[in-house]
Amino acid sequence: GAVVSQHPSRVICKSGTSVKIECRSLDFQATTMFWYRQFPKQSLMLMATSNEGSKATYEQGVEKDKFLINHASLTLSTLTVTSAHPEDSSFYICSAHRGISGEQYFGPGTRLTVT
Amino acid sequence: QKEVEQDPGPLSVPEGAIVSLNCTYSNSAFQYFMWYRQYSRKGPELLMYTYSSGNKEDGRFTAQVDKSSKYISLFIRDSQPSDSATYLCAMNTGFQKLVFGTGTRLLVSP
Repeated sequence: GAVVSQHPSRVICKSGTSVKIECRSLDFQATTMFWYRQFPKQSLMLMATSNEGSKATYEQGVEKDKFLINHASLTLSTLTVTSAHPEDSSFYICSAHRGISGEQYFGPGTRLTVT
Repeated sequence: QKEVEQDPGPLSVPEGAIVSLNCTYSNSAFQYFMWYRQYSRKGPELLMYTYSSGNKEDGRFTAQVDKSSKYISLFIRDSQPSDSATYLCAMNTGFQKLVFGTGTRLLVSP
């Protein structure tokens, strides 16, 4: 159990376009999901906390108008990178919080390349 | 000082060795402790999850938490080349965001 999926796994887009990444908890309900960004050979950087039915909480320095997060159901959160630029190219990973304890389960990640 | 300290490595060991990975932390409020394994270009995989102090064993993996020393460990017995990956410790107070170590890169040579 505790499987989290992400779609797409890889996306290439042109500068100025928007890209949507989906994160789904397949076998459990997740009231809270998290979005991370990871640069090569670096640890995970938390971008925002997504709560079902409410606005996301963004970390300091993360532009909320650029990285739109929607958590419309207990199994789905989406991250939309608006007006993407080459500097947005990165590995984006989501995680979902399960149950009453603190463990989180991660998706496989989405590699975004902006040309 | 970072909230969670972890040696980035790399840690190189021969196949079959016992591997010890460690993290120290400063926030005494942390209650939940996790170890993740991350292969290159993949999402982290939850290996071990421990609540409060104590030991937990799962196959070749043993996690230890010593809250009095603010020190957690992951032991890997009979290490295999397939264990070569980056190991991340993570912790939180419960329903909060995880605080990660920087990750330790492990290389197990055949």
